Amino acid sequence: NAGVTQTPKFQVLKTGQSMTLQCAQDMNHNSMYWYRQDPGMGLRLIYYSASEGTTDKGEVPNGYNVSRLNKREFSLRLESAAPSQTSVYFCASILPGLANTGELFFGEGSRLTVL
Amino acid sequence: DQQVKQNSPSLSVQEGRISILNCDYTNSMFDYFLWYKKYPAEGPTFLISISSIKDKNEDGRFTVFLNKSAKHLSLHIVPSQPGDSAVYFCAALKFRGGKSTFGDGTTLTVKP
Repeated sequence: NAGVTQTPKFQVLKTGQSMTLQCAQDMNHNSMYWYRQDPGMGLRLIYYSASEGTTDKGEVPNGYNVSRLNKREFSLRLESAAPSQTSVYFCASILPGLANTGELFFGEGSRLTVL
Repeated sequence: DQQVKQNSPSLSVQEGRISILNCDYTNSMFDYFLWYKKYPAEGPTFLISISSIKDKNEDGRFTVFLNKSAKHLSLHIVPSQPGDSAVYFCAALKFRGGKSTFGDGTTLTVKP
């Protein structure tokens, strides 16, 4: 039982290149999220998917696109990377509902550097 | 406008003493408040939470207190251990949509 798995763990891009961060969870969770964390700051929500087939913008969606491929997988795409997108990206999932404590399960993170 | 604030970037305590981490929020519509712990090069892990209808929740050495009138919550760790040294994030959740809003974190250092 791996939980939330992110790939790649590290990536260096040049400005203008594109790439996709992959995320998969094996906990049968409905909702999935992409956060970014910059030094000295908290996690900021980029996009989320409340359920399979739906996606919505978070706090900082500009420059990103997402795909909820199926219940397990939620990918984040940078179409034209910029140095401001240098960050650590975390994928998370949650089983929603009032009975739930709201606990997010996070992946280990993907460290992206854009030169 | 930051809805969840952790005003202390760092805290240092002696092993065995109490650690108190604080968090303030501005939106009274949050349903749940959570604390996460994060070690370097790892993802955050859930520590403890509290419903907006309660004022205290305890789990072993960790206790979270919620003061709704002051829009303030705190995490108490007693006794503190060196292994508790990490970054602690406060988060607030609205069930509708399940989106969590995070504070900037407090780095706790527990000295042996």
